[in-house]
Amino acid sequence: DAKTTQPTSMDCAEGRAANLPCNHSTISGNEYVYWYRQIHSQGPQYIIHGLKNNETNEMASLIITEDRKSSTLILPHATLRDTAVYYCIVRVGEYGNKLVFGAGTILRVKS
Amino acid sequence: DAGVIQSPRHEVTEMGQEVTLRCKPISGHDYLFWYRQTMMRGLELLIYFNNNVPIDDSGMPEDRFSAKMPNASFSTLKIQPSEPRDSAVYFCASTILGGIDEQFFGPGTRLTVL
Repeated sequence: DAKTTQPTSMDCAEGRAANLPCNHSTISGNEYVYWYRQIHSQGPQYIIHGLKNNETNEMASLIITEDRKSSTLILPHATLRDTAVYYCIVRVGEYGNKLVFGAGTILRVKS
Repeated sequence: DAGVIQSPRHEVTEMGQEVTLRCKPISGHDYLFWYRQTMMRGLELLIYFNNNVPIDDSGMPEDRFSAKMPNASFSTLKIQPSEPRDSAVYFCASTILGGIDEQFFGPGTRLTVL
């Protein structure tokens, strides 16, 4: 699976959009981009995933560049409860394939 | 649905003792994963099962660790004998073929080996 690079930490003001970048320059054509987050002391939680088209669900939007070498997770209106570690993961999108978690980005939402 | 259930939530034991962690996946899910999280190594996959059969155990650190899934609704991760370096949070997760490939994680078991 391709390696991902994320900033160590980011701050965001409550109510503003949080934009979390991820670089995956070695991504292959059949690899998907997944985002999970982990709120303190809880298990990771799935957010969204995509292959090449932008995706949106009730939690977030995922923007993938045309060359697929990077992506951005967008939380449109961050709240204090969005403070968490956000993991960007790239893997072949076959069910049951393991997720390889990196260090992630610590997002701090501040009032 | 109650989600993935793990027990115990906290376990404190002494070095050399046997430890058994338990997991009940979401009903109907056919994949089950065991992860370990430490400050030093982050979140690591230990082993995963499909339809109760172990598929990949390459993450199991050593022979002291073993995992079983006797049926679709129950799995155990056993450490025998336990060592202080096994102290970590152990997560269980499950997913179902045919969904959106989202892994649902349990609340974790915090293990402390003294």
